[in-house]
Amino acid sequence: QSVLTQPPSASGTPGQRVTISCSGSSSNIGSNTVNWYQQLPGTAPKLLIYSNNQRPSGVPDRFSGSKSGTSASLAISGLQSEDEADYYCAAWDNSLNVYVVFGGGTKLTVL
Amino acid sequence: QLQLQESGPGLVKPSETLSLTCTVSGGSISSSGYNWGWIRQPPGKGLEWIGSVYYTGSTNYNPSLKSRVTISVDTSKNQLSLKLSSVTAADTAVYFCARLSEILRVTDYWGQGTLVTVSA
Repeated sequence: QSVLTQPPSASGTPGQRVTISCSGSSSNIGSNTVNWYQQLPGTAPKLLIYSNNQRPSGVPDRFSGSKSGTSASLAISGLQSEDEADYYCAAWDNSLNVYVVFGGGTKLTVL
Repeated sequence: QLQLQESGPGLVKPSETLSLTCTVSGGSISSSGYNWGWIRQPPGKGLEWIGSVYYTGSTNYNPSLKSRVTISVDTSKNQLSLKLSSVTAADTAVYFCARLSEILRVTDYWGQGTLVTVSA
């Protein structure tokens, strides 16, 4: 049982816009920024979005993030086949100092 | 470019202690403002935070694992280590080491991960 709640799956066709939600509580998303990771099969997670809506260098602007209250969302526009991957949200949790919590992950399928 | 590389046995017997090392290159583990952590992922499942250490040796652990986990740092070797005692099959996972930025509150660099299987 993950601390942050994500839908287990999402799908879309090439060119579409899809969103993935992430729900938490006041001790994590409600009081800290949200980060998003993309994980391709057999590889380490790659940082996609940090501080709710910031993209690291090299991440296409098709990826965007937002946060409101105790929930956050990742949006992917202009969906491409290479976007098929697992996506995880994460946030620090104030219940015990430096303590990171993750969502259970969302498997994105490009139809 | 910062790189992290995990190393250690790929097979551990039940009830024994899992020991892994992460070697950091391209940057100093003693840099202020960064913690260094371990995260694991059981096969086919999601990510679980294990804990982290600052270069001073200060640690924070996932409460669910705290009684079995020790994370330490060796600044002279630019390495961090993980010890997980009394392992069971439920501890079978890919173990990642990672860097955490305290200012941005993000895990920004990850190692490639190493699979540890707990089996007799």
